[in-house]
Amino acid sequence: GAGVSQSPSNKVTEKGKDVELRCDPISGHTALYWYRQSLGQGLEFLIYFQGNSAPDKSGLPSDRFSAERTGGSVSTLTIQRTQQEDSAVYLCASSSRQLTALYQETQYFGPGTRLLVL
Amino acid sequence: TQLLEQSPQFLSIQEGENLTVYCNSSSVFSSLQWYRQEPGEGPVLLVTVVTGGEVKKLKRLTFQFGDARKDSSLHITAAQPGDTGLYLCAGARSNYQLIWGAGTKLIIKP
Repeated sequence: GAGVSQSPSNKVTEKGKDVELRCDPISGHTALYWYRQSLGQGLEFLIYFQGNSAPDKSGLPSDRFSAERTGGSVSTLTIQRTQQEDSAVYLCASSSRQLTALYQETQYFGPGTRLLVL
Repeated sequence: TQLLEQSPQFLSIQEGENLTVYCNSSSVFSSLQWYRQEPGEGPVLLVTVVTGGEVKKLKRLTFQFGDARKDSSLHITAAQPGDTGLYLCAGARSNYQLIWGAGTKLIIKP
């Protein structure tokens, strides 16, 4: 079956412009995560959606970052007024959470969107 | 702040050699996962360890969780070029949040 897909795969933008990154999770997966991976760094948690519950936005680095998940499926991560330090790979993952502990589930990752802010 | 330190950051060895990479923290995790990430792709889960002292084997890969659940190791026997990639460890911080190490970049030369 289809895995997690993300678009665009690469994005080059100018400082100050807004960008939208899209994630299509695996069908039926209720949990969706956004991460940021900078060169030489581990994954940085950004935001977590679970079903119809309020998202956990505690990882968003500033108010320039926001995310939505429409209809419990597709998610969009928006970065406003991009800065050079926003350059990174943005990864999306989904899992079929059944209210079990984290160790009992697998997160399936998309290939990421490589964002370069000039 | 819970941090996971991975070592070495980079390792390049010849095919057939054995290697061990480490994931260490001063904090206790309820579980720890190991992932492999290849260029242009997202991480792929290899294993989850839950119990202190637990050892799991996946073909030539052996994963161990420390008795105190603060550290873990990944040992690869007779490494092959297909093992090349970025190995990431991640500790469960809550029911849904993971704390990630920076990874070990492994290159296996034929």
